[in-house]
Amino acid sequence: GAGVSQSPSNKVTEKGKDVELRCDPISGHTALYWYRQSLGQGLEFLIYFQGNSAPDKSGLPSDRFSAERTGGSVSTLTIQRTQQEDSAVYLCASSLVGSAGGAEQYFGPGTRLTVT
Amino acid sequence: AQSVTQLGSHVSVSEGALVLLRCNYSSSVPPYLFWYVQYPNQGLQLLLKYTSAATLVKGINGFEAEFKKSETSFHLTKPSAHMSDAAEYFCAVSFQGAQKLVFGQGTRLTINP
Repeated sequence: GAGVSQSPSNKVTEKGKDVELRCDPISGHTALYWYRQSLGQGLEFLIYFQGNSAPDKSGLPSDRFSAERTGGSVSTLTIQRTQQEDSAVYLCASSLVGSAGGAEQYFGPGTRLTVT
Repeated sequence: AQSVTQLGSHVSVSEGALVLLRCNYSSSVPPYLFWYVQYPNQGLQLLLKYTSAATLVKGINGFEAEFKKSETSFHLTKPSAHMSDAAEYFCAVSFQGAQKLVFGQGTRLTINP
């Protein structure tokens, strides 16, 4: 079956512009996650959705970052007024969720964001 | 604080040799443990996971990992390295009650012919 898909695969934007990154999870997966991968910080958790709500958004680095999920499916990560330090690969993952964690997360190929 | 540490950012082995990638976690309660592999310009692929059913976990591509509570470790091994194993490997932890994964720093595995 289809895996997690993300678009665009690459995005180059100018400092100060807003960007939107999209994630399509595996069909039937109720949980969706965003992570960021950068050279200096490694792999960092950003936000977790269960259905359309986000019970854990502790990893969002600033109020310039926001995310939403609609219909329990597609999610969009928005970065406003982008800065050069936002340059990274943004990874999306989805899973069937267990009550206490431990669910296998399946990752998309990522969106490489470059802020010039 | 709860954390996960991978010892060695870069490991190099000869083709056919044993692969050993180290992972230690810090938590008073054993977490869920995972190993992921990332090939160049690709996303993360799950190799295996530990969820308390058995301490020795077998994964894909001939990899396995052993959970040792006394050592708070979950090291990844493969008896005989293949050129196609060259990639970056991440140990990840899901602490009890949390859904998010906390990742180690990653270990880049190089296979020498």
